[in-house]
Amino acid sequence: SAVISQKPSRDICQRGTSLTIQCQVDSQVTMMFWYRQQPGQSLTLIATANQGSEATYESGFVIDKFPISRPNLTFSTLTVSNMSPEDSSIYLCSVDRQLLWGYTFGSGTRLTVV
Amino acid sequence: DAKTTQPNSMESNEEEPVHLPCNHSTISGTDYIHWYRQLPSQGPEYVIHGLTSNVNNRMASLAIAEDRKSSTLILHRATLRDAAVYYCIETGGTSYGKLTFGQGTILTVHP
Repeated sequence: SAVISQKPSRDICQRGTSLTIQCQVDSQVTMMFWYRQQPGQSLTLIATANQGSEATYESGFVIDKFPISRPNLTFSTLTVSNMSPEDSSIYLCSVDRQLLWGYTFGSGTRLTVV
Repeated sequence: DAKTTQPNSMESNEEEPVHLPCNHSTISGTDYIHWYRQLPSQGPEYVIHGLTSNVNNRMASLAIAEDRKSSTLILHRATLRDAAVYYCIETGGTSYGKLTFGQGTILTVHP
């Protein structure tokens, strides 16, 4: 099962700034997924990132706000741009478990925008 | 929107069995039923999955109704460490990777 390292684990940012979240996997994976978990809520898929192609965004999420990079098969970044307090959430990346069923999630990045 | 419905919360005592129900009345014939749990301050963790037959692993058992419109996650002996939010999710086919999380069931385990 893949092991995910996500950085930073938490951050407090000023409104109007941007934060880039990194997701490093210890094995090569085809697809990586980015989720958002707003306070007290469940997880919502933001986008799917494939290496070598543009990320595919879910309804309600746009590339200008959440640009994603996927430079290789073990790494991806999600940027939260022009942040507002409404962006305060936990952001998580996920990959499939490689020869096992299900998906592995990172421990998340807890973002607070002030 | 999530296609499964679960009770908002359940409580159990330590070392007793816990049965967590899930309704998925519109599930297609090829969709699997997955269960994940999310411990406090952690990302979700895969628990178990099934299609038609009951399934067992080291973490839990999954009992699937014959008509597949409902299922039950069974923790045979709850521990304090099992206190978490449990999510029941339909997934498969063209929705690969797209886990649609509902609100889940908050499980409280009492010592």
